[in-house]
Amino acid sequence: IAGITQAPTSQILAAGRRMTLRCTQDMRHNAMYWYRQDLGLGLRLIHYSNTAGTTGKGEVPDGYSVSRANTDDFPLTLASAVPSQTSVYFCASSPFDTSYNEQFFGPGTRLTVL
Amino acid sequence: GQQLNQSPQSMFIQEGEDVSMNCTSSSIFNTWLWYKQDPGEGPVLLIALYKAGELTSNGRLTAQFGITRKDSFLNISASIPSDVGIYFCAGLFQGGSEKLVFGKGTKLTVNP
Repeated sequence: IAGITQAPTSQILAAGRRMTLRCTQDMRHNAMYWYRQDLGLGLRLIHYSNTAGTTGKGEVPDGYSVSRANTDDFPLTLASAVPSQTSVYFCASSPFDTSYNEQFFGPGTRLTVL
Repeated sequence: GQQLNQSPQSMFIQEGEDVSMNCTSSSIFNTWLWYKQDPGEGPVLLIALYKAGELTSNGRLTAQFGITRKDSFLNISASIPSDVGIYFCAGLFQGGSEKLVFGKGTKLTVNP
């Protein structure tokens, strides 16, 4: 059982370039999330999706977009990367029902924007 | 917005010692979660709490959901070197945004 996979593991990117971070889960969870983690700031929610076909903005959505075409995949796109988007990005998923909302995290993507 | 205060920010302890960390909030939560993150990896869920007053154990770890629903603590007994990492609390208010609010983490160092 893979759980949640993220790709790439790490990436160095020139400012202004477009980049898509991939996230796939095999647990048939309804909800998926993207967080960024920065030193001293903890985990901050970028975008989320409660179910396939729907998305919502989190705490820090600017400069990022997401799509949820199916249950398993939730890609995060940086249309034009800037150095302040240098961070570690984590994808997470949860069953999202009224009694069970634990989130499970992927291994992360370390992104450096130069 | 909802915020969590997690303390302490960091702890340096000797192997074998017990550890306690806590989170407090100005908001009421219906769920408290505790995660551990090892260097270079994603957070891993340790304990989930769903009821005020609930006390739950997972091996040497014990966590409690505060009776006011605004706080939670995590205890680690008889610490070992592999307990090193960053521990995060997270709270969820169901019926609202259904999104987790995370504390900023407690960095634990265990000296052998």
